Amino acid sequence: DAMVIQNPRYQVTQFGKPVTLSCSQTLNHNVMYWYQQKSSQAPKLLFHYYDKDFNNEADTPDNFQSRRPNTSFCFLDIRSPGLGDAAMYLCATSRDPGRGEQYFGPGTRLTVT
Amino acid sequence: AQSVSQHNHHVILSEAASLELGCNYSYGGTVNLFWYVQYPGQHLQLLLKYFSGDPLVKGIKGFEAEFIKSKFSFNLRKPSVQWSDTAEYFCAVTSRAMTTDSWGKFQFGAGTQVVVTP
Repeated sequence: DAMVIQNPRYQVTQFGKPVTLSCSQTLNHNVMYWYQQKSSQAPKLLFHYYDKDFNNEADTPDNFQSRRPNTSFCFLDIRSPGLGDAAMYLCATSRDPGRGEQYFGPGTRLTVT
Repeated sequence: AQSVSQHNHHVILSEAASLELGCNYSYGGTVNLFWYVQYPGQHLQLLLKYFSGDPLVKGIKGFEAEFIKSKFSFNLRKPSVQWSDTAEYFCAVTSRAMTTDSWGKFQFGAGTQVVVTP
């Protein structure tokens, strides 16, 4: 089945230690998104890639970076995680930016110790 | 700025009861509307979507939603819930800018936690 895969499902990192989360898709979608979701809150968009074009949300901290080396893969890098960055990180894809539905991965739960 | 409101944060009901979850948005232009469900420990799944046409939309698992443009609403309904409908439900809206004709990002509501008791 075509899908959105995230690895790892659970990630524990230390305060200030860089961490990378990964997302891959078999849907061949043009757009890949990264969301942060904290407990009982709506997903918050961090940024998205439309093909190779990177689109950062205005309120996304500089601590968060992303890479998309090819259509299938996208990475979220957190350069210096703080305790407030502990959350579920969701990857999603869509054919076109904004208009159509998004397909979500299972998420990576990040714990910062 | 566009916003999405879900009126109930928590809903508890018994099996076989009817469910209606409210969703209102603030944007007056062209919108696409979605309901997503997140079962415990699982990823967000699309329940249904509205782009245009018949304002009554049927989705998976017996859910339906009605788009009422005059009320800026897209309420989700299910006539008879099951224990397996226990989940968090998110309304999402994307809108088309009037000047540029481009579509904006998803705006999610805060979610409604639904608990169905046996």
